Amino acid sequence: AQKITQTQPGMFVQEKEAVTLDCTYDTSDPSYGLFWYKQPSSGEMIFLIYQGSYDQQNATEGRYSLNFQKARKSANLVISASQLGDSAMYFCAMRVYGGSNYKLTFGKGTLLTVNP
Amino acid sequence: DGGITQSPKYLFRKEGQNVTLSCEQNLNHDAMYWYRQDPGQGLRLIYYSQIVNDFQKGDIAEGYSVSREKKESFPLTVTSAQKNPTAFYLCASSITMVPFRGTDTQYFGPGTRLTVL
Repeated sequence: AQKITQTQPGMFVQEKEAVTLDCTYDTSDPSYGLFWYKQPSSGEMIFLIYQGSYDQQNATEGRYSLNFQKARKSANLVISASQLGDSAMYFCAMRVYGGSNYKLTFGKGTLLTVNP
Repeated sequence: DGGITQSPKYLFRKEGQNVTLSCEQNLNHDAMYWYRQDPGQGLRLIYYSQIVNDFQKGDIAEGYSVSREKKESFPLTVTSAQKNPTAFYLCASSITMVPFRGTDTQYFGPGTRLTVL
C-alpha cells in the first residue's frame, strides 16, 4: 500500500526567504506521480506542481520547485522568495499508476506561516 | 472562466436526512472525484468517475451515493446511513485518469462544509 509522510506539522519562514517542505513516500510500484497542493484558510485545494517518477528533471513552476530524490523516496517542495500569501496548509500526494489504482493518497499536511 | 463550482458552501443537516452536494465543471474533463476532509487530516476518496454513466467506490463510500448523468456534473448524496457526515467535502476533476505528463492532475472546487445538527 502507498503512504505519504509529511513530518513537519508546522513551519515558519521570513518573507522573501526560501523554505523547504518535506515529503517522503512509500510504494513498491516503479510508476507513480507526485503532486503538491496548497490549501489556504478558504479551503480550496490549489494544485502547485507535478513530478512523474520517470521524469529526468526536477519539476519547476514559477517560485515552486520539487526536489525529487527517487532513491531516498523524497519529494520535497521548495518555495523561493516566500510571500505573505504563501501562508497555508501544504499537502503532498501520490498516485500509483500500477493496476487500476486511481486515487490520490495524501499526507497530513504542513502548515506554513510566512512572517513579515 | 473555466473551473469547478460546488454548492452550497455551507450545509446543515438534521439527523436522518439525506442531503445532496452539487459539483459542476466546465473544463471538459472526463474524470471527476469526491473527497472528504476531516480536521487535521488529508483527503480521503469517496467516489470517482472516469466517464459519464460510470462511477466507482473509493476508500470510504459507505453511506454515500453519486450519479454521473452528464459530463459536467457529479452530485454527491450523503445518506442517513453515513454515521459521521460532518466534514469538508471537496470535488475534483482531471482531464483523464490516464497518466500522461500530468493529464491525471486533479483540480479541486472550493468545497462544501457539511454540519450535522
